[in-house]
Amino acid sequence: GGIITQTPKFLIGQEGQKLTLKCQQNFNHDTMYWYRQDSGKGLRLIYYSITENDLQKGDLSEGYDASREKKSSFSLTVTSAQKNEMAVFLCASSIDNYEQYFGPGTRLTVL
Amino acid sequence: GDSVTQTEGPVTVSESESLIINCTYSATSIAYPNLFWYVRYPGEGLQLLLKVITAGQKGSSRGFEATYNKETTSFHLQKASVQESDSAVYYCALGEDSAGNKLTFGIGTRVLVRP
Repeated sequence: GGIITQTPKFLIGQEGQKLTLKCQQNFNHDTMYWYRQDSGKGLRLIYYSITENDLQKGDLSEGYDASREKKSSFSLTVTSAQKNEMAVFLCASSIDNYEQYFGPGTRLTVL
Repeated sequence: GDSVTQTEGPVTVSESESLIINCTYSATSIAYPNLFWYVRYPGEGLQLLLKVITAGQKGSSRGFEATYNKETTSFHLQKASVQESDSAVYYCALGEDSAGNKLTFGIGTRVLVRP
């Protein structure tokens, strides 16, 4: 088996701040994803990457940057945090495109 | 764009009762999307419950079943007799492209099973 680790678990930022979330997987999966979940809404895809150094935009990429430094890691940057923003960011990975494995999430609060 | 609509929660049922969570989808980018049910148990991460990639087929896992109905564009999740351990949030999702990389999720349905 494998595991997806997301750091930090909780992230508190200030308005306008650049914030970085990190994700590591030891499944040796090719594809990794970042999703955002807001209260009362489904998960929305921000970015995904099908291999090292690849980036593909999802429906919610504006306001975010991402980086796939190596196969096992995928980071997401909030370029300018919005005041009172609260959301959970979920990282996932997959190998066969039919099943995605999710991490525990990073909960963001912007003061 | 593509969308998924599912039963609004919370849904409360008693142990041994039946459960159905409705899911309908609209797929504009692909004629026959892949369909999934994901589940998040308390304190755990989101995980795949079952998937069906062929229209007309049924998927099953942990006593749950869902049939891919392309005529009604539905993928309802059912269980004949729930247990307290089935308390969780259930998400219906569709795979938008042929490579299956982009999933569109419903809002999730919280299910509470009373002992």
